[in-house]
Amino acid sequence: KAGVTQTPRYLIKTRGQQVTLSCSPISGHRSVSWYQQTPGQGLQFLFEYFSETQRNKGNFPGRFSGRQFSNSRSEMNVSTLELGDSALYLCASSQNRLGDRNTEAFFGQGTRLTVV
Amino acid sequence: DAKTTQPPSMDCAEGRAANLPCNHSTISGNEYVYWYRQIHSQGPQYIIHGLKNNETNEMASLIITEDRKSSTLILPHATLRDTAVYYCIVRPMKTSYDKVIFGPGTSLSVIP
Repeated sequence: KAGVTQTPRYLIKTRGQQVTLSCSPISGHRSVSWYQQTPGQGLQFLFEYFSETQRNKGNFPGRFSGRQFSNSRSEMNVSTLELGDSALYLCASSQNRLGDRNTEAFFGQGTRLTVV
Repeated sequence: DAKTTQPPSMDCAEGRAANLPCNHSTISGNEYVYWYRQIHSQGPQYIIHGLKNNETNEMASLIITEDRKSSTLILPHATLRDTAVYYCIVRPMKTSYDKVIFGPGTSLSVIP
C-alpha cells in the first residue's frame, strides 16, 4: 500500500510569489491535515480537510489556504510568500477525522519550501 | 497535554542498543506515551505507544516506569538508518494532532 505522497519535494520561490503544494493520501484515507515545521517553532498545525470540507484550522494568516478533492487528494496554497514561510510543509492522512478513536495519522515526506 | 523532557542529543554505536529516555512527570491518567522519529527532511514516523504496560513491536520496545513519570524507548540493535530525531509526546488517545506539541526531541546519531 503506497504511503502519503507529497509533491514537489523541494521548491524555491521568491518573496511575493504564490505556491501550491500537493498531497496524495493513503488509499482509503479521507482526512488530510497540513503542518508547518520550522527549527524555531517545531511542528505547527495548519488545517485539516475531511470529505472535501475544512474541519479544523490552526493559527495561520489567510494567505495559507487549502482544498480537498473528491478523491481525497489535497492541495495547500500560500500566497504573497514571505521569507518566514520557509519551512518543511508536511501533510498527514488518516482514515477518519483527527481525534477519532484509534485514528492514527501517517505523515508524508514533506515539501521543503525556501523563500528567497 | 503533559510536557515532556528529553536529552537534546545522544550517540550510539552501530549494533548496540539505543536507550532514549523521556521524562513526563505531569502525565495524567488518560494520557498515552507516544514515540515518533523524524529522519532529516522527512515526515514524522510513528514508532510505538503505551499507557502503563511495557510494549514491544518490530521497531522498538517501550518501557514505562510504574509511576508513569518517565519512559525509555529501546532500539535493540541500532543501525545507521536509525539516525534521526526522536520525539516523545504524551496525549490522550482521542486528541487530534492539532493539539499535540512536538518538542525539540533527541537527536540520535548512530556511529559506525
